[in-house]
Amino acid sequence: KQEVTQIPAALSVPEGENLVLNCSFTDSAIYNLQWFRQDPGKGLTSLLLIQSSQREQTSGRLNASLDKSSGRSTLYIAASQPGDSATYLCAVWNSGNTPLVFGKGTRLSVIA
Amino acid sequence: NAGVTQTPKFRILKIGQSMTLQCAQDMNHNYMYWYRQDPGMGLKLIYYSVGAGITDKGEVPNGYNVSRSTTEDFPLRLELAAPSQTSVYFCASCSRGGSTDTQYFGPGTRLTVL
Repeated sequence: KQEVTQIPAALSVPEGENLVLNCSFTDSAIYNLQWFRQDPGKGLTSLLLIQSSQREQTSGRLNASLDKSSGRSTLYIAASQPGDSATYLCAVWNSGNTPLVFGKGTRLSVIA
Repeated sequence: NAGVTQTPKFRILKIGQSMTLQCAQDMNHNYMYWYRQDPGMGLKLIYYSVGAGITDKGEVPNGYNVSRSTTEDFPLRLELAAPSQTSVYFCASCSRGGSTDTQYFGPGTRLTVL
């Protein structure tokens, strides 16, 4: 059974810092991995999707990497801003009709 | 495109009442999902559907029912509401195949059972 773990559960950093959020998964036979952002009281918004054949994806100040063999992904946020404060969730999709398996998320606070 | 829409946004139920949470998507996605999110507990999958007429149980299906008569709609039915069903409910949809794998979420329904 696929399990997804995100460490740390919460993180507080001063504005301007570069930071890394970690995601690990137990079954490396994944189809893709997605990073989501959730603001308080809101739904989830997809940030980046990495296919199993890819090593990384970039969008603006965000860069997500994937090391399938070791069961790890990282989300790198450059020059953090208070507007980046949110919960970030990682989810993996195994082959077939299986649903996404989510981690519990990392709650990020960027302090001005 | 409106994306994934959910109604209602908020609802308070009394114990034993029933209700249907509505979910619709206009992206012609074949996969649809219902999750519940409790504080500090992450997302838990209730039911999902891989196409019209096909549904399957997720991690926490007890106390809920679903149907998928059309591609667009995936309602979630709560029968005999219990306080343990107090939660935020999210509907999501996606397609399959390369860049279209992205899963889209609705804004959620906040349900309180008293």
